[in-house]
Amino acid sequence: TQLLEQSPQFLSIQEGENLTVYCNSSSVFSSLQWYRQEPGEGPVLLVTVVTGGEVKKLKRLTFQFGDARKDSSLHITAAQPGDTGLYLCAGALVGSQGNLIFGKGTKLSVKP
Amino acid sequence: DSGVTQTPKHLITATGQRVTLRCSPRSGDLSVYWYQQSLDQGLQFLIQYYNGEERAKGNILERFSAQQFPDLHSELNLSSLELGDSALYFCASRRLAGGFGELFFGEGSRLTVL
Repeated sequence: TQLLEQSPQFLSIQEGENLTVYCNSSSVFSSLQWYRQEPGEGPVLLVTVVTGGEVKKLKRLTFQFGDARKDSSLHITAAQPGDTGLYLCAGALVGSQGNLIFGKGTKLSVKP
Repeated sequence: DSGVTQTPKHLITATGQRVTLRCSPRSGDLSVYWYQQSLDQGLQFLIQYYNGEERAKGNILERFSAQQFPDLHSELNLSSLELGDSALYFCASRRLAGGFGELFFGEGSRLTVL
């Protein structure tokens, strides 16, 4: 059983569309991070959320941490081909050494 | 460039063999993490070292072992390799052992076991 469930697994959309990716768990996390990974490269951090209910914006990307710190979402407005990649959520369980548990990821393809 | 260096980038070997993957963390980072990424399992945490000592273990098989040396570089040893060990192996580093700090990933070592 995956501790962090991401959905959808695959998403193929046209340039200009909006999308939301979800990251859900039954466990409580002290922090949650979103990474983006491109082919042949390692994941790169987009954002860290720490407080329940926290919302962070990064240009066209909006990240939200659930009130109970069990889930998170990533919303992209007006997607562009450059947004194509694998989006991974990663959480540190409460009481852990900060070791991150990753979801399986959402593979996003934005067509021009 | 994350500052984390992994070698080799690609490795092809046969079942039953043993390989060593090497990682140099970012300058100043004391904590090193190893992850395995496969298509069906995603990114799985294997093991963490902090300043030369093992800090946490994840889903690491007994056939696998790792260490972190005094100069902070780390090696992941994979032995008695099986077909299912074929995957991307990532090393990541962070300044401290825990907290909310960013993990900086290397480009990975792609292992193919034939």
